[in-house]
Amino acid sequence: QSVLTQPPSASGTPGQRVTISCSASNSNIGSKTVNWYQQVPGTAPKLLFYTEDQRPSGVPDRFSGSKSGTSASLAISGLQSEDEADYYCAAWDDTLNAWVFGGGTKLTVL
Amino acid sequence: EVQLVESGGGVVRPGGSLRLSCAASGFTFENYGMSWVRQAPGKGLEWVSGIGWSGGSSGYVDSVKGRFTISRDNAKNSLYLQMDSLRVEDTALYYCARLGSDYGSGSYGGGYYYMDVWGKGTTVTVSS
Repeated sequence: QSVLTQPPSASGTPGQRVTISCSASNSNIGSKTVNWYQQVPGTAPKLLFYTEDQRPSGVPDRFSGSKSGTSASLAISGLQSEDEADYYCAAWDDTLNAWVFGGGTKLTVL
Repeated sequence: EVQLVESGGGVVRPGGSLRLSCAASGFTFENYGMSWVRQAPGKGLEWVSGIGWSGGSSGYVDSVKGRFTISRDNAKNSLYLQMDSLRVEDTALYYCARLGSDYGSGSYGGGYYYMDVWGKGTTVTVSS
């Protein structure tokens, strides 16, 4: 059971907009920044967003991140086949004194 | 090119030991906190351990406390994870990751930190 809760799966057709949520019930999201990672099957995770809405260079602006209270969201607009991957949220948990990851959301492009 | 390369994985019996290494290049290693993150087959990501820039601070997930020891050698640009008393449930792909931050530097965790560079991982299999 992950400390951060994500839907196990999401899907959309090319060109659609998809949103993936990440929620927590305690301090790990409410007071800390949230990061998002993309993992294409068979490859290492890649930083997608940090500090909720900061996009590293090279990440398309079709991707956007946001946070409200104890929930964070990743949105992908103009869905493309290469977006098919697993997406993880992560945050530092002051209570556990550890990094915590969401269980991951498998995005399928239909 | 900024790069992290893990090594040292293998097959080991329950109760055995392994030492993982992570070689860093392309950046000033001593300026960054580092972490180990693992991924069991078909499962999600799990943070295992982290260490500050000087090696003076470190942390572990509860399930490995007392069994794993993280360390670093800044002169060799290397990060290590000594894994003792291995269990079947430690079977996973182990990644090392750099901790970046826009507001601070050198810690392995906290607000405004993020894992911005990842290696390709090394596989640890614990089986009898």
